[in-house]
Amino acid sequence: LAKTTQPISMDSYEGQEVNITCSHNNIATNDYITWYQQFPSQGPRFIIQGYKTKVTNEVASLFIPADRKSSTLSLPRVSLSDTAVYYCPRGPSGTYKYIFGTGTRLKVLA
Amino acid sequence: ETGVTQTPRHLVMGMTNKKSLKCEQHLGHNAMYWYKQSAKKPLELMFVYSLEERVENNSVPSRFSPECPNSSHLFLHLHTLQPEDSALYLCASSQDPRDTQYFGPGTRLTVL
Repeated sequence: LAKTTQPISMDSYEGQEVNITCSHNNIATNDYITWYQQFPSQGPRFIIQGYKTKVTNEVASLFIPADRKSSTLSLPRVSLSDTAVYYCPRGPSGTYKYIFGTGTRLKVLA
Repeated sequence: ETGVTQTPRHLVMGMTNKKSLKCEQHLGHNAMYWYKQSAKKPLELMFVYSLEERVENNSVPSRFSPECPNSSHLFLHLHTLQPEDSALYLCASSQDPRDTQYFGPGTRLTVL
């Protein structure tokens, strides 16, 4: 199964809005789009999930176009503590598998 | 806190040792998972349990032996490991195998 595609790394400054895009070219009809955040030596933390259009929670917004072949995670006004790796894994579809890529390493600078 | 706990958080073992990793979930989920994350590599799924039955074994060497005595607990028994098995081992759970997964904090394993 092909992984999703996302930028390897991004830099931003405190207070800025950060948008991370993920390509889901082979997304299955039944799959939701899920984003995780991971700090060093910790488990991935669920951030947000959606099927289509826009979803917002207290942490982030998720934008999904009608064709669902991509998604954009939007982090408003980032702080230094948002420095982490962000994943948009493929799946789980009918195979129980989330397939994680290498994620996007976000570095927030003061 | 995600409702998934793992013990120990850190483990150092020799290649001839036998040790076990423990995972417990307090979310009432029916599916549990073991993942391996090596340095600078993506997470790799190792095992999937659904309702205490193993439904996925992702070509993992037999020196890793999972056990799921009930839907809240998951163990990974380790024996005769190799230094390349050093990694962060993550446990996750979900309501069912196709649902959103929630991860524990991981066990950092070092094999000498």
